[in-house]
Amino acid sequence: DAGVIQSPRHEVTEMGQEVTLRCKPISGHNSLFWYRQTMMRGLELLIYFNNNVPIDDSGMPEDRFSAKMPNASFSTLKIQPSEPRDSAVYFCASSPTDRGFNEKLFFGSGTQLSVL
Amino acid sequence: AQSVSQHNHHVILSEAASLELGCNYSYGGTVNLFWYVQYPGQHLQLLLKYFSGDPLVKGIKGFEAEFIKSKFSFNLRKPSVQWSDTAEYFCAVNARGGYQKVTFGTGTKLQVIP
Repeated sequence: DAGVIQSPRHEVTEMGQEVTLRCKPISGHNSLFWYRQTMMRGLELLIYFNNNVPIDDSGMPEDRFSAKMPNASFSTLKIQPSEPRDSAVYFCASSPTDRGFNEKLFFGSGTQLSVL
Repeated sequence: AQSVSQHNHHVILSEAASLELGCNYSYGGTVNLFWYVQYPGQHLQLLLKYFSGDPLVKGIKGFEAEFIKSKFSFNLRKPSVQWSDTAEYFCAVNARGGYQKVTFGTGTKLQVIP
């Protein structure tokens, strides 16, 4: 298996532009997480899907952020409009939840987002 | 709601020194506990985990962690660090039961000096 695949690896955009980050989880994993990593706040959970359904989006900073999981093999995180304070590394992670809890997260390589 | 606190943000050690990184969690029920490591330029990977049983858990590369329920703690230890242990270490908690999220601490940067 190729692991969790994120794209793009790097994104540089101007303030006000729409940004879309993509994630392909490991096949068979039924939980998917989006995290944001910054120097100031470490690793923050943005949203968590289970079986393609958003379970907890309390970490989404504001309405400018939205996430979708249209099927088991694809998820997007969209920021519209983007702002400089959104600059961070965004990680996607997936997990099998066979025993009713998340046994281990498998992380993607992350998307380094810079909003100028 | 569950939360995780890591007390040390940046730790600098010489090679062969002993390591202990603190982690405390807040949650009233049963939890799973994890330590993840992020080496420079790489993504996070699992170091060790605790689900149940022996509260002293051994992980990869000589790391271990002890779950002390009465203190809500899950400290990471290694008797003798190496330069290759330079990385950022994250403690995480997952409340048991149902569809529960995994919450991470803010991380501890470890720098090992040769």
